Amino acid sequence: DGGITQSPKYLFRKEGQNVTLSCEQNLNHDAMYWYRQDPGQGLRLIYYSQIVNDFQKGDIAEGYSVSREKKESFPLTVTSAQKNPTAFYLCASKAGGEQYFGPGTRLTVT
Amino acid sequence: KQEVTQIPAALSVPEGENLVLNCSFTDSAIYNLQWFRQDPGKGLTSLLLIQSSQREQTSGRLNASLDKSSGRSTLYIAASQPGDSATYLCAVNSGGGADGLTFGKGTHLIIQP
Repeated sequence: DGGITQSPKYLFRKEGQNVTLSCEQNLNHDAMYWYRQDPGQGLRLIYYSQIVNDFQKGDIAEGYSVSREKKESFPLTVTSAQKNPTAFYLCASKAGGEQYFGPGTRLTVT
Repeated sequence: KQEVTQIPAALSVPEGENLVLNCSFTDSAIYNLQWFRQDPGKGLTSLLLIQSSQREQTSGRLNASLDKSSGRSTLYIAASQPGDSATYLCAVNSGGGADGLTFGKGTHLIIQP
């Protein structure tokens, strides 16, 4: 089955800790994206990568970092510098102009 | 900066009705527009993609239209069913040097059995 997987589904961390969210795709798509969703708000773009070893900041990149060492993988690190990290994080990839989303990771930081 | 607005924010209708969800965007220079469905606690499912050169797209009971010059899109759902209950999201790709979608806040749809 082709698709996008995100793990884990739920993640809990203490304030001040960095945490890395996984995103893997076997769709052979070049472009990948990270979005954040908060209650009552639209999804907002954190980072995107159009090709391996290259990535760009989105609208809300502060406090986040990414890497793109393999075409299939685009992990997102939420650092301790992110002031409001609790949110639902969604990964996506794109082909033919259409974006496809993974199931999401709900991160709770206390 | 592109902004996307969806009206209404919530809608509840009896099963079997035809309904229209609205999406507007402030910058008409878009590359494409995509409609998604999101069930509670889940990721997004792509419903329809309309390229900027197209006027509409259809998939089963769904029809999406695009009027780029006026900055509007509508999603028409025919013969609604309880399984259509979900949040529907509109998103635009403005292209240019930046990539990624700009999303509206969604329309929360409830279909009453």
